[in-house]
Amino acid sequence: QVQLQQWGAGLLKPSETLSLTCVVYGGSFSGYYWNWIRQPPGKGLEWIGEINHSGSTNSNPSLKSRVTISVDTSKNQFSLKLTSVTAADTAVYYCARTGTYYDILTVRDYYNMDVWGKGTTVTVSS
Amino acid sequence: DIQMTQSPPSLSASVGDRVTITCRASQSISTYLNWYQQKPGKAPKVLISAASSLQSGVPSRFSGSGSGTDFTLTISGLQPEDFATYYCQQSYSAPLTFGGGTKVDIK
Repeated sequence: QVQLQQWGAGLLKPSETLSLTCVVYGGSFSGYYWNWIRQPPGKGLEWIGEINHSGSTNSNPSLKSRVTISVDTSKNQFSLKLTSVTAADTAVYYCARTGTYYDILTVRDYYNMDVWGKGTTVTVSS
Repeated sequence: DIQMTQSPPSLSASVGDRVTITCRASQSISTYLNWYQQKPGKAPKVLISAASSLQSGVPSRFSGSGSGTDFTLTISGLQPEDFATYYCQQSYSAPLTFGGGTKVDIK
C-alpha cells in the first residue's frame, strides 16, 4: 500500500525559503504525477504544482515565480521549495499522488489525488 | 483559471438526513470533477471521480451527478462519521482548482 511521508521546517521567518520533501513508500514512483497542495488555517485547498518521475512539472501561475518542484527518483522522493515566504504562506502543506480512474462508460481516463501525506504545518512569523 | 464555487458554505443536519452540496464551474469541465471529504486535522480523501463514480471503499450512501458546469454531491442517510468538510475539484485543466468547501456539522 502506497504511503507518503513528508517533512520539512515548520517555522520560517519572512523572506526565507520553505523547503519540504515527500518520500513514496510501498509502491511505484514512476508512471505517476506527484503534487503539492496547501491549506491556510481555516481555509480551503490550493494546488501548488506537480511533477513526474522524469522531472516534468506544472505549477500554479499564482505561485510559479517562487516555486521549484524537483524529483529524486533514486530515493523515490520529490521536493518543494517556495522562496521569499510571507505570512500569507502560512499553511498546512500536503503532498499527494495523482491517481488515474478509467471510466468504462465514457472510455476516458480521469485524474484525482488518491494518496495523501499527513501534512506539514508551516508557519511564517518574524 | 477555472473557478469552482460551492454552496452552501456550511450546513447543519441530523443523522439520517439527506444532504445535497452543489458545485459550479466557471466554464464547462465535462465530467472532470472530483469530490473529497476532509475531517479536522486530516488530509482530504477522494470520494467520487468523473463526477459520479464512487471510489473504492466509499459507502454507497455517497453519490455524485452533473456535467458541464453544475455538479451535486448527495449523502443519503447521513452517518455520524460523515460530519466533515467536502470539497469539489476540477481536473479538466491546470491549474487544478478546488471549491471553497462545505462544512457539514451536527444540527
